[in-house]
Amino acid sequence: DIQMTQFPSTLSASVGDRVTITCRASQSISMWLAWYQQKPGKAPKLLIYRASSLESGVPSRFSGSGSGAEFTLTISSLQPDDFATYYCQHYNSYSWTFGQGTKVEIK
Amino acid sequence: QVQLVQSGAEVKKPGASMKVSCKASGYTFTDYYMHWVRQAPGQGPEWVGWINPISGATHYIEKFQGRVTMSRDTSTSTAYMELRRLTPNDTAVYSCARGDSVRTAVGTPFDYWGPGTLVTVSS
Repeated sequence: DIQMTQFPSTLSASVGDRVTITCRASQSISMWLAWYQQKPGKAPKLLIYRASSLESGVPSRFSGSGSGAEFTLTISSLQPDDFATYYCQHYNSYSWTFGQGTKVEIK
Repeated sequence: QVQLVQSGAEVKKPGASMKVSCKASGYTFTDYYMHWVRQAPGQGPEWVGWINPISGATHYIEKFQGRVTMSRDTSTSTAYMELRRLTPNDTAVYSCARGDSVRTAVGTPFDYWGPGTLVTVSS
């Protein structure tokens, strides 16, 4: 089974900071990676699919990059609404696997 | 607009069974796979499996095989997940999430999620 590892597990940042979260797969997954944002008590919200495609309605300060086994989610200028936990997810036609999450906290 | 509305929180004793429902609206229920995901306290999401609403075909991850049953009622656009022989380790929020079209089935991320149902297993 493919394992997804995210780091850091927690990140402290200020409004306006550029933030980068990394997700590493245990083997190559091509570009079959998504990123979600989750706030306490809420369902995850899809931000990025196919590693770098922005879901409709998601602000352009969010971007994804990478392929193969290493991926990044970047928030270009952190906004107050962005403090949340972020998860990567590998998906294909038969398996969906999440990372353990990165919590973005206020510094 | 697409909505997934789930049943309310449950408290169960070890060894009991739980059954969570997920009522879909705003799209044709039989057009999209429905997945179930659980999230234990402080943990990342864990995918449990899917159901094809038009055929009723299911797929569960090995960890849950023999203990989980996913079903659906197309007349009410509702999906169900039953988990049996509960232990405290099954305490989690259980969510339904919409997957890809049953016509393409290429594998896509989950674009709509239910709000989650907290199931607590405690003696």
